[in-house]
Amino acid sequence: DVKVTQSSRYLVKRTGEKVFLECVQDMDHENMFWYRQDPGLGLRLIYFSYDVKMKEKGDIPEGYSVSREKKERFSLILESASTNQTSMYLCASIASGPHGQYGYTFGSGTRLTVV
Amino acid sequence: AQTVTQSQPEMSVQEAETVTLSCTYDTSESDYYLFWYKQPPSRQMILVIRQEAYKQQNATENRFSVNFQKAAKSFSLKISDSQLGDAAMYFCARNNNAGNMLTFGGGTRLMVKP
Repeated sequence: DVKVTQSSRYLVKRTGEKVFLECVQDMDHENMFWYRQDPGLGLRLIYFSYDVKMKEKGDIPEGYSVSREKKERFSLILESASTNQTSMYLCASIASGPHGQYGYTFGSGTRLTVV
Repeated sequence: AQTVTQSQPEMSVQEAETVTLSCTYDTSESDYYLFWYKQPPSRQMILVIRQEAYKQQNATENRFSVNFQKAAKSFSLKISDSQLGDAAMYFCARNNNAGNMLTFGGGTRLMVKP
């Protein structure tokens, strides 16, 4: 069964900490995404990557960075966590080409609380 | 920018009844894919059903079916014989022209009453 694995289900961090959220997929997908999900705001795209070492800003990249050193791993970094980054974070991946017709596979989400 | 719109923030349905969730989108393409995802309280986003715009026949998956109106750019989800386990957030999405990114609607929270 194909999978996208997010390393933590729940995280509590302090304001100002550097936070790493990890996402690993085992489907050899080229494309990976980080979203944040807040009540009433739906899914908002933070960053995405079409290939190793490539990254593109999404709709709300401020305060975040990403790293993709290997095809299967896409990390989201909060450089200096703030309370307004308390949210649910979802990782997703999708194949390129015809296989993209099957849509995203999502991770199970990380609920981050910044105190 | 491409948009996907779900006009119903919340819906409720009685157990065993049928409910329809609405979705509209914009596009200038003739071939693309549309998706409905379910997110239960466990948070895992699950693909419920997908539709290729090129195909006129509406997709069905057990109790879930779609009403795809290409000219109207409408893609509604019908859930028949609703069950308590259907209670969740439902997101409509379509893929981009390159087929490697999805744009999501704002979601509809479905409540199922016993």
